[in-house]
Amino acid sequence: EAGVTQSPTHLIKTRGQQATLRCSPISGHTSVYWYQQALGLGLQFLLWYDEGEERNRGNFPPRFSGRQFPNYSSELNVNALELEDSALYLCASSLGSGSTNTGELFFGEGSRLTVL
Amino acid sequence: AQKVTQAQTEISVVEKEDVTLDCVYETRDTTYYLFWYKQPPSGELVFLIRRNSFDEQNEISGRYSWNFQKSTSSFNFTITASQVVDSAVYFCALSEARSSASKIIFGSGTRLSIRP
Repeated sequence: EAGVTQSPTHLIKTRGQQATLRCSPISGHTSVYWYQQALGLGLQFLLWYDEGEERNRGNFPPRFSGRQFPNYSSELNVNALELEDSALYLCASSLGSGSTNTGELFFGEGSRLTVL
Repeated sequence: AQKVTQAQTEISVVEKEDVTLDCVYETRDTTYYLFWYKQPPSGELVFLIRRNSFDEQNEISGRYSWNFQKSTSSFNFTITASQVVDSAVYFCALSEARSSASKIIFGSGTRLSIRP
């Protein structure tokens, strides 16, 4: 069974451009999480989607946005890129569990975004 | 507020030594979940364990053991007889289960290096 897949693996953009990252969850998983892992830092929570809706977002500016499609795949969009947006963006999926979030997360290998 | 602190940024030990990774958490909820994840050099995070707030029993899995103490809000991870393959970044994480808006918050990680 395929794990969480992310694309592209690497992406190079320049300041001011937009980046779109994609994530396909494990089959049967309805929750998708996005995390940012900047060099030397831990995982910073970005967004959580479940059943097509945004459930929560972290402390990031509005130029970070995303969506979840009916097939539960997800996109993360970063507008007006800044140098400090350079990071590894990790997507994770879990079984959506309704009102409680108890699930183990299954992570993809990440998309490395470099902003020049 | 939800917070996870891993005060040890980096630890380096010689193979076969025991090593303990510390994790301290903050939450206002009485129901929550704690996790440990491993991020090997390949980059993909791997789930190690989940513990709910009502289960303070320590757990042992092979060379790995976890010590959960609610009184000190800690969930420490010990590797016994460490091996080079244990070298990785280890993340502790917390999920509050009080509402559908819960998210999983990670600590900043501890980079563990096992020297041969």
